[in-house]
Amino acid sequence: RKEVEQDPGPFNVPEGATVAFNCTYSNSASQSFFWYRQDCRKEPKLLMSVYSSGNEDGRFTAQLNRASQYISLLIRDSKLSDSATYLCVVTPEKSSGDKLTFGTGTRLAVRP
Amino acid sequence: GAGVSQSPSNKVTEKGKDVELRCDPISGHTALYWYRQSLGQGLEFLIYFQGNSAPDKSGLPSDRFSAERTGGSVSTLTIQRTQQEDSAVYLCASSLAIAGGLNIQYFGAGTRLSVL
Repeated sequence: RKEVEQDPGPFNVPEGATVAFNCTYSNSASQSFFWYRQDCRKEPKLLMSVYSSGNEDGRFTAQLNRASQYISLLIRDSKLSDSATYLCVVTPEKSSGDKLTFGTGTRLAVRP
Repeated sequence: GAGVSQSPSNKVTEKGKDVELRCDPISGHTALYWYRQSLGQGLEFLIYFQGNSAPDKSGLPSDRFSAERTGGSVSTLTIQRTQQEDSAVYLCASSLAIAGGLNIQYFGAGTRLSVL
């Protein structure tokens, strides 16, 4: 089983749609959780950190469920510029330092 | 300020040759990481430097891979006797590595390595 699993997509949605991505992780001792965004042939960039209480940044909402080892990202009112690959990222247990474990990403295509 | 800088941006080499990839982290960042991304694959951790501590080399795929970080700043990833399966984008990241803090990693644009 992969350490971080995501549906690869692609998710093909119209502008203005709401779309949700899910991610599961296998290591219950994982410490920190993030969503990164990666545009085609570009480096990953942090979209948002994910906290147990859930957190929102504009049109983006992230949720963490430690009991189910599950992370989600909700994008409301999708824009064309949201088209990218969204990477679910986990930091393993504290003894492993801060090296990141990445899912393979979920591809989003927003159409006019 | 400047972000993480990597060079070269593209490297084409012949099978069996050695290559060196360079990473210049964000000034003041004590932690430096190397990852690689193969076509259709997720990012894979390679090696991690934190201050003066011994590096975490647990992700290096073979003894042909090595990395060093001189003076706590610039890092070089060396691949000896390159193989075609080494073709990938090699990404470097750095972070402030604050103890107990949420250490956000910032990535460079990567080096795209093609082994012919």
